[in-house]
Amino acid sequence: EVQLVESGGGLVQPGGSLTLSCAASGFTFSSYWMTWVRQAPGKGLEWVGNVIQDGSESHCVDSVKGRFTISRDNAKNSLYLQINSLRAEDTAVYYCAREGSGWLNWDYWGQGTLVTVSS
Amino acid sequence: QSALTQPPSASGSPGQSVTISCTGTSSDVGGYNYVSWYQQHPGKAPKLMIYEVSKRPSGVPDRFSGSKSGNTASLTVSGLQAEDEADYYCISYAGSHMKVFGTGTKVTVL
Repeated sequence: EVQLVESGGGLVQPGGSLTLSCAASGFTFSSYWMTWVRQAPGKGLEWVGNVIQDGSESHCVDSVKGRFTISRDNAKNSLYLQINSLRAEDTAVYYCAREGSGWLNWDYWGQGTLVTVSS
Repeated sequence: QSALTQPPSASGSPGQSVTISCTGTSSDVGGYNYVSWYQQHPGKAPKLMIYEVSKRPSGVPDRFSGSKSGNTASLTVSGLQAEDEADYYCISYAGSHMKVFGTGTKVTVL
């Protein structure tokens, strides 16, 4: 059974840093692009970015470039999202998702982890 | 990159059909046949309903269908059922590895 489990969320002060993790199981992790999507409380979905199968290439939405870094460790079946210089507007539930075959085919999702940026 | 435009809400009675639009530009929806639709129930992760404009993943009822004309994509839910009440989001490829979501539509089954 495919499972994605996010962790690492919590309350962080503005300007702080955080690394979110996504533990994958039930499939060959190294064969799939992986994606991060976030959702601010009561708001819509926002694509954050993704990373290629071997981790050599990643892409982030313009609004977070320079602050967010997406990486993975295929030996640990884990995906990461490092967030620096946290702002109040980064407060959101962060989801990881597997990119299945086909474009924008995010076929499995984690349950999400909440990041709250507040002093 | 601006969010794609969706109506905030849509509704229909059980058994009826509802169609949700997703309007972008020639740089996203109109430029690629890479539009997906996700369903999200409150407090849950999104679920893929349609990808590449009109392809339906296995397990998704054939009551759900997608189409595209110009810069506007559409999701139609036929034979509405109570469990279809949820938020629906479109997403499009926007070139240069970028993706953009729609603003979301809350579907209510009357």
